[in-house]
Amino acid sequence: AQKVTQAQTEISVVEKEDVTLDCVYETRDTTYYLFWYKQPPSGELVFLIRRNSFDEQNEISGRYSWNFQKSTSSFNFTITASQVVDSAVYFCALSEGTSGSARQLTFGSGTQLTVLP
Amino acid sequence: NAGVTQTPKFRILKIGQSMTLQCTQDMNHNYMYWYRQDPGMGLKLIYYSVGAGITDKGEVPNGYNVSRSTTEDFPLRLELAAPSQTSVYFCASSYRRGGLDGSKETQYFGPGTRLLVL
Repeated sequence: AQKVTQAQTEISVVEKEDVTLDCVYETRDTTYYLFWYKQPPSGELVFLIRRNSFDEQNEISGRYSWNFQKSTSSFNFTITASQVVDSAVYFCALSEGTSGSARQLTFGSGTQLTVLP
Repeated sequence: NAGVTQTPKFRILKIGQSMTLQCTQDMNHNYMYWYRQDPGMGLKLIYYSVGAGITDKGEVPNGYNVSRSTTEDFPLRLELAAPSQTSVYFCASSYRRGGLDGSKETQYFGPGTRLLVL
């Protein structure tokens, strides 16, 4: 069975600090997809990234970067120079199977990030 | 584009009542999903659809039904509401091209419907 663990329940940083959100996953499949979502205080869900298991290249998008390491089953998310608007709950999720759609999506319990001014 | 819209935003139901949560997307997406989010938890997939006329169960389908008669609409039906169905419900849609792994697929979520069953 697949499982996603986000051990950090809450993190607080001061603005402009870098912060890394950890995500560890378990799966028996060799083909799987990993996701990160952001849920700001307003409650909506924002899709951030999807990564397949065959692509271990790290990805950078502005201040966001993701580090995928199959050897440690981790898919960590780093925010550089954090801003108050980054305050949100961040979810990591895993999907098994060759299709890669969300029908077997398993979410972690989320990490509440608070960025203080 | 309005994106993904959901109605109502909030609803209180009595045990045993039924209701339909509406979801509409105007992006011509083929995939649509219903999730529920319980307090302090991640999302769990209830049902999904890969196109009009095709639906399938997710992780937690019991107590719910769906239909997909058009590309745009994907309503979620609760027949006999129970307190365990108190949750926030999110609808989402995405576009996946056939034959590809969808590595560029982006999922768009609606604003959510908060449901309280008393």
